[in-house]
Amino acid sequence: EAQVTQNPRYLITVTGKKLTVTCSQNMNHEYMSWYRQDPGLGLRQIYYSMNVEVTDKGDVPEGYKVSRKEKRNFPLILESPSPNQTSLYFCASSSSSGLLYNEQFFGPGTRLTVL
Amino acid sequence: AQSVAQPEDQVNVAEGNPLTVKCTYSVSGNPYLFWYVQYPNRGLQFLLKYITGDNLVKGSYGFEAEFNKSQTSFHLKKPSALVSDSALYFCAVRDRRDTGKLIFGQGTTLQVKP
Repeated sequence: EAQVTQNPRYLITVTGKKLTVTCSQNMNHEYMSWYRQDPGLGLRQIYYSMNVEVTDKGDVPEGYKVSRKEKRNFPLILESPSPNQTSLYFCASSSSSGLLYNEQFFGPGTRLTVL
Repeated sequence: AQSVAQPEDQVNVAEGNPLTVKCTYSVSGNPYLFWYVQYPNRGLQFLLKYITGDNLVKGSYGFEAEFNKSQTSFHLKKPSALVSDSALYFCAVRDRRDTGKLIFGQGTTLQVKP
């Protein structure tokens, strides 16, 4: 089954404790992206990757890091989480063939709470 | 700057009635426009897209959207709403000149009552 998976689905942590949210897709997609969803703000793009070893900032990259060492994986790293990073996070992927108009496939989301 | 606006936080309709969820955008040049739906505790699912051509685009689950260039709008419509259509709907735009970025609106909750 074609899918985007995220782990963990739920995470409660404390300020300053480094964490990683994993994202993996099995569709051989070149493009992957991370979003955060906050009430009243919709989805805001954190980082995206056009292919392996190619990453770029979205609209809200501060406090986050990403890496793209393999095509299927795109982990999101919070080196020193803060309470304002409490949010619902989504990973997405799409084929870059015709990237401009290809729809994205979304993971199930990771709900992060930073105390 | 690119932006997408969904002016209604919530839309309420009765089952069987037509529904419209509004979206306006601001982007330089010709945009690519999308609608996504999010059911409770789920990720987003693609509904439909406008790339070029006919201004009326048909998508999944009986939804359609009308692109209006002069009004910079891309409203989502359905002739007859179902209770199961109740969900959170997002409009999104991609700028052809900045292919990596996808800008979402703030979302509109659609509530369809029996």
